Amino acid sequence: GENVEQHPSTLSVQEGDSAVIKCTYSDSASNYFPWYKQELGKRPQLIIDIRSNVGEKKDQRIAVTLNKTAKHFSLHITETQPEDSAVYFCAASPGRGGSEKLVFGKGMKLTVNP
Amino acid sequence: DTGVSQDPRHKITKRGQNVTFRCDPISEHNRLYWYRQTLGQGPEFLTYFQNEAQLEKSRLLSDRFSAERPKGSFSTLEIQRTEQGDSAMYLCASSSTGHEQFFGPGTRLTVL
Repeated sequence: GENVEQHPSTLSVQEGDSAVIKCTYSDSASNYFPWYKQELGKRPQLIIDIRSNVGEKKDQRIAVTLNKTAKHFSLHITETQPEDSAVYFCAASPGRGGSEKLVFGKGMKLTVNP
Repeated sequence: DTGVSQDPRHKITKRGQNVTFRCDPISEHNRLYWYRQTLGQGPEFLTYFQNEAQLEKSRLLSDRFSAERPKGSFSTLEIQRTEQGDSAMYLCASSSTGHEQFFGPGTRLTVL
């Protein structure tokens, strides 16, 4: 089955710096890659996603890139702010047989220091 | 609040007891998903419904777990004969497209 790995597990940056979170996946049939932000004690919140027919997507300060050949995708946050501090999860949707489940990575804790 | 809602938010039970959780999806979302999240991990898929039909179940899902969505709206997840290893956050999500999944606040289960 699909396996999603995420690294680093923690990242600390200064306010205004950029942050990059990388994920790899194992199933070449995976076709949908969302990113979720989860603040302490809160629900996972969908912040951006990308489909397998697109290489890059941007939404204000966040962008996601996908490399299907290498089977990895990344989240880029520019001009980080303290409110960006949270755990970020990447996920992949295997898509085989019409499956809609999401397979998540273990998460990366981002700390933005003022 | 028109988002996904879950009830209860917290449940403490003794080992061996049965528990049931409820999820109300976003209106008009025909897809509903259950996930489980333990500390320091990402959500783990349990099962999903399209309308009333349960279309997929994780192979990790024990026979003690059962989920229903009888009228294609809210869903219930029941755990029978709870074990300490069942302690986790149980998350529900809904979608209209099968891709963008919006999560509820979760039910935190503690099995003593």
